[in-house]
Amino acid sequence: DAGITQSPRYKITETGRQVTLMCHQTWSHSYMFWYRQDLGHGLRLIYYSAAADITDKGEVPDGYVVSRSKTENFPLTLESATRSQTSVYFCASSVSDSGNTIYFGEGSWLTVV
Amino acid sequence: GQNIDQPTEMTATEGAIVQINCTYQTSGFNGLFWYQQHAGEAPTFLSYNVLDGLEEKGRFSSFLSRSKGYSYLLLKELQMKDSASYLCAVMDSNYQLIWGAGTKLIIKP
Repeated sequence: DAGITQSPRYKITETGRQVTLMCHQTWSHSYMFWYRQDLGHGLRLIYYSAAADITDKGEVPDGYVVSRSKTENFPLTLESATRSQTSVYFCASSVSDSGNTIYFGEGSWLTVV
Repeated sequence: GQNIDQPTEMTATEGAIVQINCTYQTSGFNGLFWYQQHAGEAPTFLSYNVLDGLEEKGRFSSFLSRSKGYSYLLLKELQMKDSASYLCAVMDSNYQLIWGAGTKLIIKP
């Protein structure tokens, strides 16, 4: 049972470059999420998706783009990386949005230099 | 605004009991979650409370009082492996999860 996997796990990139973080889940969960986690902050929602081809902004969407052409994949793209986007990024999924447990991927550590 | 408050850090002794508190102010309430996160790893689900009262699951228990906007996570018979951050999250009226910054729990022998 692969669950939810992210790639790359670790990435160093330069300011201004485009970066895509991949997320794949094998549970056929409807909902998928992208969070960032920074010291001193709780998990902050970047974007989420209720189903294929349905995406919506979260708390901190600026500078990020998502797509969801297939239920199992939910890539996150930083169009032009900035140092403030250095963070740990977690992809997550759940069956639905109404009180169901959210399951997290292992995380992607991104450093923008 | 929406807010989740929990202590930044707590220290406890192996074998003892520790209570981690979480207070919240959110737009509506559709349940409260506790997650455990070891350093460098992903958060993992511990408990979910939607009704008032205590939910017990082995060494871990979670309590909720909706009228007080308050929850706690109780960890008994502490083990060194319980050293981790504990995240409190509330699902608001729009079914969005609002996360606290987490409580880092340090267990000493």
